Amino acid sequence: AQTVTQSQPEMSVQEAETVTLSCTYDTSESDYYLFWYKQPPSRQMILVIRQEAYKQQNATENRFSVNFQKAAKSFSLKISDSQLGDAAMYFCAYRRNFGNEKLTFGTGTRLTIIP
Amino acid sequence: GAGVSQSPSNKVTEKGKDVELRCDPISGHTALYWYRQSLGQGLEFLIYFQGNSAPDKSGLPSDRFSAERTGGSVSTLTIQRTQQEDSAVYLCASSRRAGVTNTGELFFGEGSRLTVL
Repeated sequence: AQTVTQSQPEMSVQEAETVTLSCTYDTSESDYYLFWYKQPPSRQMILVIRQEAYKQQNATENRFSVNFQKAAKSFSLKISDSQLGDAAMYFCAYRRNFGNEKLTFGTGTRLTIIP
Repeated sequence: GAGVSQSPSNKVTEKGKDVELRCDPISGHTALYWYRQSLGQGLEFLIYFQGNSAPDKSGLPSDRFSAERTGGSVSTLTIQRTQQEDSAVYLCASSRRAGVTNTGELFFGEGSRLTVL
């Protein structure tokens, strides 16, 4: 079974600084997706960034970028120029690229932004 | 609709009562998922629908939990004889049909918070 591990229950960063959230996963598959979702206090899960496993280039969305290391099964999220609105729970997730299979989530990292 | 809609937003019930939680997915999304999130925890998969059938219901924690989907759209998650450990936020998500340009992304609703007294 696939597992996703987030080893940092909590992280904090000074506003405008850069922070990196860690994620590792375990799978025997070669074709899959990886995601970072953000969950603010409103509870709604919001997609931050997505990476297809077959793409070697790291995904980037504005201030958010990933470091995808397929061999090491590592998928970290870097947030640059942190803003107060970035404060939330961040979940790493894995999905096999087969049909409409479920996402498997890590346990999350709570990110606090220090003004 | 524009997004995934869930109701009720909050539900307080007494131990032993039955509850129904509703999910209305994004129009045209054929896949629908239920997850459970206990306080301060990650997301626990419950069940997944493709159309009206459930290829994967491996996450349902007991036979008190059931779900159905009708017309390939709205889904209802039913919890019978609720227990205090059922207290959690129940999140619903939907995604496009596999084979169409599928980014793999799930779109989530805001969840239903269930409190069992």
